Amino acid sequence: DVKVTQSSRYLVKRTGEKVFLECVQDMDHENMFWYRQDPGLGLRLIYFSYDVKMKEKGDIPEGYSVSREKKERFSLILESASTNQTSMYLCASSLDSLTQYFGPGTRLTVL
Amino acid sequence: TQLLEQSPQFLSIQEGENLTVYCNSSSVFSSLQWYRQEPGEGPVLLVTVVTGGEVKKLKRLTFQFGDARKDSSLHITAAQTGDTGLYLCAPTSGGSYIPTFGRGTSLIVHP
Repeated sequence: DVKVTQSSRYLVKRTGEKVFLECVQDMDHENMFWYRQDPGLGLRLIYFSYDVKMKEKGDIPEGYSVSREKKERFSLILESASTNQTSMYLCASSLDSLTQYFGPGTRLTVL
Repeated sequence: TQLLEQSPQFLSIQEGENLTVYCNSSSVFSSLQWYRQEPGEGPVLLVTVVTGGEVKKLKRLTFQFGDARKDSSLHITAAQTGDTGLYLCAPTSGGSYIPTFGRGTSLIVHP
């Protein structure tokens, strides 16, 4: 079975802090994705990567950056966290992009 | 821009009832996936449909892809409390290999 793990289930940070969210997958998938999920808005794509060191902006990349130094690991970085970045963050990986395997999510609260 | 609508937004039913949720768009889909997300977890793929008119069954769940590939439905027979969750449709279209997620239907099945 594909396993996608995220570094934290819950995270509380203060406004202005730099935040790292880590995601690791164990199935040698080429593609990895970061989404945020907010009530009434569904899943929105922040960034995705189709290979090591490659990244593409999704629908809402502002305020975020990503890093993919190794195939199995995709990191989401909030350079200076703001309260409007309080959300559930979901990482996913896929081999063919159609079938996405999601991690359990990180619920981030920015105070 | 593809407009994707899922209905109803919320559904609260008793165990044993039948239900249908819908996913509609103004665009033609290349393919469509249905995911279920349980509280506190990431979405999990239920099914992928690619052919207009296609019907797929997964135990008590029946998925239908519209003939024109602009809509899909998910029917659950004799709902159980374990069916509780957020049902997300995620179509691909326009040559993109990355699905767009709907806002979901939140289903609660009461014992």
